[in-house]
Amino acid sequence: DAKTTQPTSMDCAEGRAANLPCNHSTISGNEYVYWYRQIHSQGPQYIIHGLKNNETNEMASLIITEDRKSSTLILPHATLRDTAVYYCIVRVLSGNTPLVFGKGTRLSVIA
Amino acid sequence: GAGVSQSPSNKVTEKGKDVELRCDPISGHTALYWYRQSLGQGLEFLIYFQGNSAPDKSGLPSDRFSAERTGGSVSTLTIQRTQQEDSAVYLCASSLAQGGGQPQHFGDGTRLSIL
Repeated sequence: DAKTTQPTSMDCAEGRAANLPCNHSTISGNEYVYWYRQIHSQGPQYIIHGLKNNETNEMASLIITEDRKSSTLILPHATLRDTAVYYCIVRVLSGNTPLVFGKGTRLSVIA
Repeated sequence: GAGVSQSPSNKVTEKGKDVELRCDPISGHTALYWYRQSLGQGLEFLIYFQGNSAPDKSGLPSDRFSAERTGGSVSTLTIQRTQQEDSAVYLCASSLAQGGGQPQHFGDGTRLSIL
């Protein structure tokens, strides 16, 4: 079973920041937080991952709370093409274990 | 560079037939994964290959499902005597092995429909 809890759906106005929350209260010290998204009819796309420090790349920023029990994915300027299902996944640090997907958050970016 | 490639993109077959789905991982990626996604459901892990090690088959739903990976690169997922509940999108992903925690990169899947 997925170790994360996410809202089922969210809306965001085009051009505004999209903030997607994720709860992972049972995360272990050797587990990373990963974010993927899945646009309709495509495979999941890797976005970002982190352990305890905040991370930023060209797609998004990841903010992890100090106790690591929750995190927020931030898309700074959402576009219509960011409409997708966003998955927050907890995964052990070592090895290359399979990903355990939950239901994710369906983000709708509205013009 | 080239991403994960899967073929065919769509497959329609009759119940009881065997099907083979192909995955070409990203060059240099030694870890390869198969998942499936049924209509309206999340992704379900099926099988995982890591280099020359024995695969992790813990996610395969029945003995009708099997997979192989030849030469550490291309993988084939085979479903024998297909059933209607096998209808789903079958997704393949690959990742680098070293360092642990490497992100997986997915193909766009094969949409399998069993009539």
